[in-house]
Amino acid sequence: QVQLQESGPGLVKPSQTLSLTCTVSGGSISSGSYYWSWIRQPAGKGLEWIGRIYTSGSTNYNPSLKSRVTISVDTSKNQFSLKLSSVTAADTAVYYCARLCYPPTSFDYWGQGTLVTVSS
Amino acid sequence: EIVLTQSPGTLSLSPGGRATLSCRTSQSLNSPYIAWYQQKPGQAPRLLIHGASNRATGVPDRFSGSGSGTDFTLTISRLEPEDFAVYYCQQYGHSLPYTFGQGTKLEIK
Repeated sequence: QVQLQESGPGLVKPSQTLSLTCTVSGGSISSGSYYWSWIRQPAGKGLEWIGRIYTSGSTNYNPSLKSRVTISVDTSKNQFSLKLSSVTAADTAVYYCARLCYPPTSFDYWGQGTLVTVSS
Repeated sequence: EIVLTQSPGTLSLSPGGRATLSCRTSQSLNSPYIAWYQQKPGQAPRLLIHGASNRATGVPDRFSGSGSGTDFTLTISRLEPEDFAVYYCQQYGHSLPYTFGQGTKLEIK
């Protein structure tokens, strides 16, 4: 059973960079033809896809965030990470990491989510 | 970007009833790459349906999905108390980004 767990600071100051890591357990992040994604959800609102990464390191980002987002993978640690730069209060949300099934059309495994608040 | 519009915003039904949730896409999907998720308060979304009509592993058969083109439906027959939650549809068309609907809240009447 694949499990995902987000970790990182819960409070980030405006204009700084938000950094989160997702640790995958119950299987190798490199096995199978899977993409790994980040998704966020502001309080009381809907879901927004941030981006995805393949284990080769190939990435795709949501155009709405592309200029500020970097997703990377560390297969030796079975982890992938999110960096979102120049954050504002609008980036306050619960951030989820998730696995895309194969073919990569839907998200079949999710982390529990971590709340990141942008505030001085 | 493909926009998904879910209706109704809120659906009030009683346990044992039948729920019909709608998801309309702004462009026709060449392939039925629509998924449905259930989200309960304080929890991550849970995949229910993929490929418009395929139940995910472990999902009870009272959940069913249908539709094509621009109109998709999630039906929950015989509502159980644990089914009351928020439901989201999500699409993967022929190009990124993945997008989600705004959600339908299914509440107990």
